[in-house]
Amino acid sequence: GDSVTQMEGPVTLSEEAFLTINCTYTATGYPSLFWYVQYPGEGLQLLLKATKADDKGSNKGFEATYRKETTSFHLEKGSVQVSDSAVYFCALSPRNSGNTPLVFGKGTRLSVIA
Amino acid sequence: DAGVTQSPTHLIKTRGQQVTLRCSPKSGHDTVSWYQQALGQGPQFIFQYYEEEERQRGNFPDRFSGHQFPNYSSELNVNALLLGDSALYLCASSGWDRSVGQYFGPGTRLTVT
Repeated sequence: GDSVTQMEGPVTLSEEAFLTINCTYTATGYPSLFWYVQYPGEGLQLLLKATKADDKGSNKGFEATYRKETTSFHLEKGSVQVSDSAVYFCALSPRNSGNTPLVFGKGTRLSVIA
Repeated sequence: DAGVTQSPTHLIKTRGQQVTLRCSPKSGHDTVSWYQQALGQGPQFIFQYYEEEERQRGNFPDRFSGHQFPNYSSELNVNALLLGDSALYLCASSGWDRSVGQYFGPGTRLTVT
């Protein structure tokens, strides 16, 4: 079945460091790919998305590119801030539809220290 | 514009009891999905409601049931609670613009003792 694998955490970085969180997926067909962020005590917020191969999603300085050849959707940010500390989830939607149930990875906790 | 709201925020129940969680979707959204997020894990899909009917279901036992009302709000019911049902329960809504994806509420933290 469809699945998402993301790098184990926690990841601890100093402020202004470069961030990469790896995400790979297994799916039939052409899924949509998402990154969600969960701040302490809160629900999930959509960070960015990509719906087809070679699409780049971007938001708040974060970027991820849909790579069909490597089945990957790695999250990157050039300079992290303390306020970026959160848990990040990679997810896929098996069909390009907002109503298709999402399949999530286990999450990667990021801590940014000043 | 209010987003997805859920109630209650926290809940403590005893093993064997029954619980009802509530969700109001984002304005303009007609589809509600429920997810269970165990501690340290990613959310797992429970089921989805559209037009007051369960449309899709994940790998959860029949103890988990739901309902959607004409105003699109939804309830999640869990019977015969087990310790393993302790989790954050997330509601997500979506509407006609399928490309936007799902909006999540803040969740209900259920603790079963």
